[in-house]
Formats: sequence, C-alpha cells, structure tokens
Amino acid sequence: DIQLTQSPSFLSASVGDRVTITCRASQGISSYLAWYQQKPGKAPKLLIYAASTLQSGVPSRFSGSGSGTEFTLTISSLQPEDFATYYCQQLNSYPRGTFGGGTKVEIK
Amino acid sequence: EVQLVESGGGLVQPGGSLRLSCAASGFTFSSYSMNWVRQAPGKGLEWVSYISSSSSTIYYADSVKGRFTISRDNAKNSLYLQMNSLRAEDTAVYYCARDYYYDSSGYLEDWGQGTLVTVSS
Repeated sequence: DIQLTQSPSFLSASVGDRVTITCRASQGISSYLAWYQQKPGKAPKLLIYAASTLQSGVPSRFSGSGSGTEFTLTISSLQPEDFATYYCQQLNSYPRGTFGGGTKVEIK
Repeated sequence: EVQLVESGGGLVQPGGSLRLSCAASGFTFSSYSMNWVRQAPGKGLEWVSYISSSSSTIYYADSVKGRFTISRDNAKNSLYLQMNSLRAEDTAVYYCARDYYYDSSGYLEDWGQGTLVTVSS
C-alpha cells in the first residue's frame, strides 16, 4: 500500500506569510495527488487535483507542485480564512485513495 | 448547486449494524461514481468505499471489507452504506463524496456534511 507522509504536522504562521506543506509518497504516484482543506466541524474541500490544477473557485494564492514522490502545497500569502487542516490524498491506486496524516495551520 | 446529505448515524453497540444514506441533488446522480470517507474523532481522513455510476465496480478499504456494503439507487438519487459487525474503531464521522473523474483518476469534488457513527456499549 502507498503511504503518504505530510510535513510538518503542525505549522504556526502569521497572516501574510508564505506557507509550504510537503507530502511524500512511499512510491511514485505520477501526478495523481489532491489537496483538501478542512475547517473544524466542516467537510473537507477540494483545493487542488492532479498535483497542480486549481479547483474552480479556489483562490489563486493556493498552488500545488510536484510529481513522483514529492509534492508541495503553497499558500503565497496566508489569509485569516486559511487557518485549517490540510490533507493530501494519492489517487495512483484509484479509487483506493489514501490520505496523508494532515497539517494543521494555526495562527502565530 | 450540488447537495449531499447524509443520514442514519447514531449510537450502536459493538457487533451491531447501521445503514447510512446519502441523498444527492443538484446534479445527474446516475452519471457519477461515489465514495464514503470517514474521520475518527480528532483523527485524519480514511477512504472507506467506492461505487461506480452503474454499480458495476465496487471497492472497499481492507479495514471494512466483508463487513460493510456500499450500494446506490439511481432512481432515488441515493447512496447507501450498510455497516455490519461494527467495532469501536468504526466510530467516526462518515462523509459521502462525489467523484470527479480526470485523467484516469478521480478526486473527491463534493462532500456532504457527514453523519456521526458511535460504536459503544
């Protein structure tokens, strides 16, 4: 089974900061990776799919990159509404899509 | 507007059964594959099961295989998850999620609000 490791698991940042979250796969997954944002008590929201394609309606400050085993989610200028937990999900073994452990982004 | 509304969660004893439902609206339900994803309290996300648009293809996570059954009724725009032989570790919020198929893969484009299943004596 493909394992995903997210780092860091916790991140403290200020409004306006540039934030980068990494997701590493235990084996190559091409570009079959998605990023989701989840706020407390809410369902996850798809941000990016196919590693770098921005979902419709998602602000352009979010971007994704990578292929193979290493991927990043970048928020270019952190906004108050971006404080949340972020998950990566691999779909190389679609439809069995395993998730990373999550990265919680909190206000410094 | 796409809407997915789960129901059927609740408290059940270990070894018991529960059937979750997901009512879909705002899109042509019969054209989309669907998934169940769960999240234990304070934990991360776990994909549980997948069903294709025509029900011809079904997959389960190893953790629920043989105990859970996914199904759908396209005439009723509804998705189901029959959960049997429930264990404490099945305690979680269960989400239904619509598949967005792109470039030989699928991504979870729309999610319901979730329904809480608690397995406890």
